[in-house]
Amino acid sequence: DIQMTQSPSTLSASVGDRVTITCRASQSISSWLAWYQQKPGKAPKLLIYKASSLESGVPSRFSGSGSGTEFTLTISRLQPDDFATYYCQQYHSHPYTFGQGTKLEIK
Amino acid sequence: EVQLVQSGAEVKKPGESLRISCKGSGFNFTTYWINWVRQMPGKGLEWMGRIDPTDSYTSYSPSFQGHVTISADKSISTAYLQWSSLKASDTAVYYCARQAWGGSPNDYWGQGTLVTVSS
Repeated sequence: DIQMTQSPSTLSASVGDRVTITCRASQSISSWLAWYQQKPGKAPKLLIYKASSLESGVPSRFSGSGSGTEFTLTISRLQPDDFATYYCQQYHSHPYTFGQGTKLEIK
Repeated sequence: EVQLVQSGAEVKKPGESLRISCKGSGFNFTTYWINWVRQMPGKGLEWMGRIDPTDSYTSYSPSFQGHVTISADKSISTAYLQWSSLKASDTAVYYCARQAWGGSPNDYWGQGTLVTVSS
């Protein structure tokens, strides 16, 4: 199985900050990586697919980059609605695997 | 409007069987795979497996193989996740999500079904 490792596990930031979350794959997954946002009691929401493609309707302050084994999600100017938990997921090969999540908290 | 509507919360005892459902609407159900994802209380997301409703071909995570069964009825655009003998450790929220093909992400998700297994 491909292991996905996210860092940090928790991130404290303020409204207006620029933040970056990292996801590392245990082997190359090309660009078959997605980022999801999840708020408490809600289903995950797709933000980014194919490592850097922005899902329709997602604000442009979200961006993704990377390929192979190293990926990042960047939020350029944090808004109050962005405080949530973020997950990466590889869909290169079965079993698809998620990172353990990064909780973005208000500082 | 694309929707995946899941069945309601369940409370079961250990050893009981259960089947939960995920009904798709607003899209051609047979042109998407349906994935199932587990989220245990306070924990992260775990991919369980997926089904192609066209031919009911399934793929399971080794962590779930043999403990759950994924099925689908394309005539009513519904996918299922079932257990023959529940354990307390199956207590979790279960999500279904659609995937266009192997090189696509999960773009629409169901609202989740809470399964509680307790004696």
